[in-house]
Amino acid sequence: NAGVMQNPRHLVRRRGQEARLRCSPMKGHSHVYWYRQLPEEGLKFMVYLQKENIIDESGMPKERFSAEFPKEGPSILRIQQVVRGDSAAYFCASSLPSWYQETQYFGPGTRLLVL
Amino acid sequence: GESVGLHLPTLSVQEGDNSIINCAYSNSASDYFIWYKQESGKGPQFIIDIRSNMDKRQGQRVTVLLNKTVKHLSLQIAATQPGDSAVYFCAENIRGSQGAQKLVFGQGTRLTINP
Repeated sequence: NAGVMQNPRHLVRRRGQEARLRCSPMKGHSHVYWYRQLPEEGLKFMVYLQKENIIDESGMPKERFSAEFPKEGPSILRIQQVVRGDSAAYFCASSLPSWYQETQYFGPGTRLLVL
Repeated sequence: GESVGLHLPTLSVQEGDNSIINCAYSNSASDYFIWYKQESGKGPQFIIDIRSNMDKRQGQRVTVLLNKTVKHLSLQIAATQPGDSAVYFCAENIRGSQGAQKLVFGQGTRLTINP
């Protein structure tokens, strides 16, 4: 499967716990994007990363949320001390390493439910 | 501000008919647009894209039209099939400083194909 991989597909957490969402980009892609989707809404941009660099985190909440894309391994979106409002589908997308506008291809998403 | 919106939130068509999904965008500087299809429980799937130096682009059974004068996009699906039932999003690629890119999504149109 050469597509974008995300895991877990479903994640249940209690308020106050930590959530870690993982994303492996398509082969050859070194740009990763995270988006959040609430029910019946469009996706909202959170963060854009390249290997070992955060390029744009303008959509990330200032507290409790962080993202990384290490030299080796998947990109991680981390949510600390989750609250019920964090319940959503989180999608990762990847694109080719180009400064031109490249198509973003999406993974299947992680559905986070905070109890 | 940045926003991409859709004129019709729901659309029902008979199988075999053509469908047209519309989208308005507000950022006149945007030059890259993408249509995605999202089935229930899945991530957005790339359908077709268009750059601002084009007015029309055709794929297999799909056509995207871009009217820069009125900042309007449309997606035409020919000879609709049951598998076309999904939510369709238009997205606008926004470029920022230092190569930063992000997609701004509309709310989505739910397309239902009636047998």
